[in-house]
Amino acid sequence: AQSVTQLDSQVPVFEEAPVELRCNYSSSVSVYLFWYVQYPNQGLQLLLKYLSGSTLVKGINGFEAEFNKSQTSFHLRKPSVHISDTAEYFCAVSVIGGGSNYKLTFGKGTLLTVNP
Amino acid sequence: GAVVSQHPSRVICKSGTSVKIECRSLDFQATTMFWYRQFPKQSLMLMATSNEGSKATYEQGVEKDKFLINHASLTLSTLTVTSAHPEDSSFYICSAEGQGAGSPLHFGNGTRLTVT
Repeated sequence: AQSVTQLDSQVPVFEEAPVELRCNYSSSVSVYLFWYVQYPNQGLQLLLKYLSGSTLVKGINGFEAEFNKSQTSFHLRKPSVHISDTAEYFCAVSVIGGGSNYKLTFGKGTLLTVNP
Repeated sequence: GAVVSQHPSRVICKSGTSVKIECRSLDFQATTMFWYRQFPKQSLMLMATSNEGSKATYEQGVEKDKFLINHASLTLSTLTVTSAHPEDSSFYICSAEGQGAGSPLHFGNGTRLTVT
């Protein structure tokens, strides 16, 4: 079985500051990696995903993440955050060859709060 | 872009009644749909995977007789919470995967169920 650990449940930052949301995973097989954002009382929106190729993945809204296989990490970064980035962020994995690319196992989420 | 419509967005029902939640893919055919449950300030827990025309596959610990899932067409999956109890109160989210390799996953906006 696979698992996802998001090390920080809450991350407060000031506007225009850089931010990193940490994600580590555990799996005995190869996985795909995803970051999703959830605004209050809404579904999830895909920020970015790593399937293969370059380990540095760029997503929407200025976010990027780097896949580090040796450290089993997929940390999410943004060089300068905005108030509108305040939301819950979820890291997720799915098993390669597991029938569907999207049978996702989620981390517990990190609440990013951007203060003025 | 592709949209998944989930209805209703909010529902309040009395204990003992049943509630049906619909998940529709509006402009694509969804071969696979997933149903998640999210408790306050917690992650999404996969309840079941449904494929069009076949029985849903439930995750361990999810009562299939209580959470009835039907995926009768390539654009519609329903989740019926039968004989609802207050502990079933939660945020339920569906997601849909399109046909073909590399198809993305789209989430509905969720349904807030409150059982009184």
